[in-house]
Amino acid sequence: QQQVKQSPQSLIVQKGGISIINCAYENTAFDYFPWYQQFPGKGPALLIAIRPDVSEKKEGRFTISFNKSAKQFSLHIMDSQPGDSATYFCAASIFLWNTGKLIFGQGTTLQVKP
Amino acid sequence: DTGVSQDPRHKITKRGQNVTFRCDPISEHNRLYWYRQTLGQGPEFLTYFQNEAQLEKSRLLSDRFSAERPKGSFSTLEIQRTEQGDSAMYLCASSLFRTVNTEAFFGQGTRLTVV
Repeated sequence: QQQVKQSPQSLIVQKGGISIINCAYENTAFDYFPWYQQFPGKGPALLIAIRPDVSEKKEGRFTISFNKSAKQFSLHIMDSQPGDSATYFCAASIFLWNTGKLIFGQGTTLQVKP
Repeated sequence: DTGVSQDPRHKITKRGQNVTFRCDPISEHNRLYWYRQTLGQGPEFLTYFQNEAQLEKSRLLSDRFSAERPKGSFSTLEIQRTEQGDSAMYLCASSLFRTVNTEAFFGQGTRLTVV
């Protein structure tokens, strides 16, 4: 019940295209769903996060779509750029008044071709 | 640089040796987390501190692992009698908790290779 399942494992997109990464969770107590971007040899960096009281959050080219009834959320990267090539992790947490520990998905390696 | 700092960045050790890693969180952050990330996987929670108190430990944290945060500032993670399966990236993160949590910031990690 603590798992977060992420797909696809890898993704190749042409420059300017849309990258879509999906995640699913089981624990309905999760109340915070962040996405992290990780470059080789670096720690994860927070990209964007959503709470379950909204269905969508947009920051620049990055959008999270959240479907509470389906227990799924996804990251959309619009106008994908070669600099977006990295590994992306979704995560979930019982966040605000709890430990804040993050349960991560398995990761998606994104390659954006010029 | 006022981010989360980890030292060393890389460590190669022989099986059976002890290793210790250090994490310096963002200065005003009272929560500190340790995660382990193996190749091709997402980070897995190991343990966390609020100030100097260790409040939760994962079952992944065997008795060969010990973490401390003696004065509520920096933290150390020690692995005794290292095994090849301990080879991984060890990540530290910190956050501020008052009445609610805030986002966690990660350090660059310590990559451990056990040979």
